[in-house]
Amino acid sequence: GIQVEQSPPDLILQEGANSTLRCNFSDSVNNLQWFHQNPWGQLINLFYIPSGTKQNGRLSATTVATERYSLLYISSSQTTDSGVYFCAVPSDSGNTGKLIFGQGTTLQVKP
Amino acid sequence: DAGVTQSPTHLIKTRGQQVTLRCSPKSGHDTVSWYQQALGQGPQFIFQYYEEEERQRGNFPDRFSGHQFPNYSSELNVNALLLGDSALYLCASSPRGSYGYTFGSGTRLTVV
Repeated sequence: GIQVEQSPPDLILQEGANSTLRCNFSDSVNNLQWFHQNPWGQLINLFYIPSGTKQNGRLSATTVATERYSLLYISSSQTTDSGVYFCAVPSDSGNTGKLIFGQGTTLQVKP
Repeated sequence: DAGVTQSPTHLIKTRGQQVTLRCSPKSGHDTVSWYQQALGQGPQFIFQYYEEEERQRGNFPDRFSGHQFPNYSSELNVNALLLGDSALYLCASSPRGSYGYTFGSGTRLTVV
């Protein structure tokens, strides 16, 4: 089955710094999602981005489907950005039921 | 508009016991998926329900079973609990055929 790898596993930043999180996947996908898991455990969808670039405030994401990777950019980081970031892809094309998650990147933003 | 509601939030059980976790989907969503998230890991798909039937299943033993009710709410049952079942159990709802998942905050199960 499809494999999803995220890097780095851990990241510590000073407030105001920028960061880039990476997600590699082993097969072509028709959808990719980035999630932020808050300290209470809830997964919040940040982006649906099977290809191209999207921006939402200080966050943006780019997926290069032909090269099987996606990047999540966080600019001017704030302490509230702390948490775990996951990327997830469908287990197979058109399957809206089963998402395969990476291991996550744990981000800590220090004041 | 309430999102996905899970209950209980925390639970402690003894090995060998049985547990039932509950999920109420977001309004307008008819599909419910369950995920298990071990500490330090990404969520792993357990199964998905719509039209009150299990439609897809991940690589979990038969000790894990579920149910969906006519109002689209769902239960996850785990029998003969093992220490390794300790995890955060997440419920996600979506409209059928959509990638538009909304996740709940999960139930943290500890097996002692």
